[in-house]
Amino acid sequence: KAGVTQTPRYLIKTRGQQVTLSCSPISGHRSVSWYQQTPGQGLQFLFEYFSETQRNKGNFPGRFSGRQFSNSRSEMNVSTLELGDSALYLCASSLGPDVMSYEQYFGPGTRLTVT
Amino acid sequence: QKEVEQDPGPLSVPEGAIVSLNCTYSNSAFQYFMWYRQYSRKGPELLMYTYSSGNKEDGRFTAQVDKSSKYISLFIRDSQPSDSATYLCAMSDSYGKLTFGQGTILTVHP
Repeated sequence: KAGVTQTPRYLIKTRGQQVTLSCSPISGHRSVSWYQQTPGQGLQFLFEYFSETQRNKGNFPGRFSGRQFSNSRSEMNVSTLELGDSALYLCASSLGPDVMSYEQYFGPGTRLTVT
Repeated sequence: QKEVEQDPGPLSVPEGAIVSLNCTYSNSAFQYFMWYRQYSRKGPELLMYTYSSGNKEDGRFTAQVDKSSKYISLFIRDSQPSDSATYLCAMSDSYGKLTFGQGTILTVHP
């Protein structure tokens, strides 16, 4: 079974631009969560989607948004990029929002650099 | 104060040593406890998960949870150079949102 895939793997953007990252979950997984990983803050939860609806949201500004499609694929968007947005963005998939949801499987991440 | 505290290390041990990794937490709503391993330039990989207090063993790995003390541990027996990675504890409430520790960098040298 194929794992979680994320595209692109690396991205360089300029301050003020916007970016869209894509995540394809494991086949059969219906929940997708997004995380930001930085050396200073570690792994921080951004949001979770299930059945095209945002189910949970972390403490990030409104510049960070996401969506999920009917095939469970998800995208996250960051508008008006800031230097502090440079990070590894990780997507994780799980079966669904029930007792199994703690079993999250991560993709390789998208390394975003903002200059 | 962070909800989950984990000693970032780094931790350096000789091959064959027993490694102990620990996390403490403050949120009583956490019900599920996980350990992830992350190699350089890779996403975290789920190693073990547990729900209740007590021990859970899987090969060379043992996860221990003490809910009364809000303390979890991961023990690695007979450590190997291939175990060199960052180990992250993670916890979840009933809604499935994961809260991670900072991660402990482990190096096992031959």
